[in-house]
Amino acid sequence: GAVVSQHPSRVICKSGTSVKIECRSLDFQATTMFWYRQFPKKSLMLMATSNEGSKATYEQGVEKDKFLINHASLTLSTLTVTSAHPEDSSFYICSARVAGEYTGELFFGEGSRLTVL
Amino acid sequence: AQSVTQLGSHVSVSEGALVLLRCNYSSSVPPYLFWYVQYPNQGLQLLLKYTSAATLVKGINGFEAEFKKSETSFHLTKPSAHMSDAAEYFCAVSDGNQFYFGTGTSLTVIP
Repeated sequence: GAVVSQHPSRVICKSGTSVKIECRSLDFQATTMFWYRQFPKKSLMLMATSNEGSKATYEQGVEKDKFLINHASLTLSTLTVTSAHPEDSSFYICSARVAGEYTGELFFGEGSRLTVL
Repeated sequence: AQSVTQLGSHVSVSEGALVLLRCNYSSSVPPYLFWYVQYPNQGLQLLLKYTSAATLVKGINGFEAEFKKSETSFHLTKPSAHMSDAAEYFCAVSDGNQFYFGTGTSLTVIP
């Protein structure tokens, strides 16, 4: 199956700094990628849909200026958490859809654990 | 619109016992249905998917699920639980564009 790689898997940063998380589709082109946030013992919360070459579509309640998403190529989307604060600590997961896949199946990255001190 | 309901946020089974994780869906169009598994601090891995072919779908690690249109269900089963099956399981529905997750079921396997 299609492989999605996410990096870094763990990151610890100081409050007020910015952190970038990368999501790459390794063996396929992904015109659309999705960013999720997962709280402990909870389901996945869709944050935004990342479209190659255009602006991301954010879900209601997600701060666009806090969570910057860039999808500059067909294989790379990045999520930057700007001016991070402890409440931004969470598990972030990206996923990608194979272009032309009619079922909408999503392939997931390994996730990134962000801890803001 | 689509939605997914997973009954039982926590399920415990003894090692070797039957695993049954329930999933009911709502969809205005023929759905595509998925089961994903998540191990601690990892992403989601596809267990199996229904794409309107056979109603009984076999997946990895001995899991299978049956699509029952009349019951709008897609329950996940495994005849004999193994300790390594302990994880979080998510049911999901797609119309080919939008993707919706259930709230997840945490499976505990008791030795």
